[in-house]
Amino acid sequence: KAGVTQTPRYLIKTRGQQVTLSCSPISGHRSVSWYQQTPGQGLQFLFEYFSETQRNKGNFPGRFSGRQFSNSRSEMNVSTLELGDSALYLCASSQGTGGLYTEAFFGQGTRLTVV
Amino acid sequence: GDSVTQMEGPVTLSEEAFLTINCTYTATGYPSLFWYVQYPGEGLQLLLKATKADDKGSNKGFEATYRKETTSFHLEKGSVQVSDSAVYFCALITGGGNKLTFGTGTQLKVEL
Repeated sequence: KAGVTQTPRYLIKTRGQQVTLSCSPISGHRSVSWYQQTPGQGLQFLFEYFSETQRNKGNFPGRFSGRQFSNSRSEMNVSTLELGDSALYLCASSQGTGGLYTEAFFGQGTRLTVV
Repeated sequence: GDSVTQMEGPVTLSEEAFLTINCTYTATGYPSLFWYVQYPGEGLQLLLKATKADDKGSNKGFEATYRKETTSFHLEKGSVQVSDSAVYFCALITGGGNKLTFGTGTQLKVEL
């Protein structure tokens, strides 16, 4: 069974640009969550999508957005990039059925560097 | 809001030493508790979990017991190996959905 796939693995962008990151969950999983990992703030929850609907949202500015497609693949977008957006962005997938927690499987992450 | 506090690292141990990484939490309701491990260059892997008070999660020689009275979920291992070197994260979930709240992580380095 293939794991969670995040693309690209590494990305370098310039301040003010926008970026789109992609996550393909494990087959059959309907929930996809996104996290930002930085040395200063640690792991912070961005948002969760379940069956194409945002189910939970963290405390990030509106520059951070996401969506989920009918095949459960998810994308997150960051507009008007700032230096502080440099981070490892992790995606996690789970079955997520019935609103109950099921084990989350994480991808290897996308390392975003903003210069 | 929910929060998780874990001991500062890095923790450096000799192989076969006993490991304890402290974790305490603050949460509304009754959270499920988790330990995740992150190896260099990798994403997070679930190490163990406990979903109700007094439950003991265990995996690969690691154990943690859900203590509601002390709001704690300390990670222990009786004899660490060099291959256990990684960053360990304590986390919780409350309510529905899959919003994990993480601690800051504790780096463990095991030396020969």
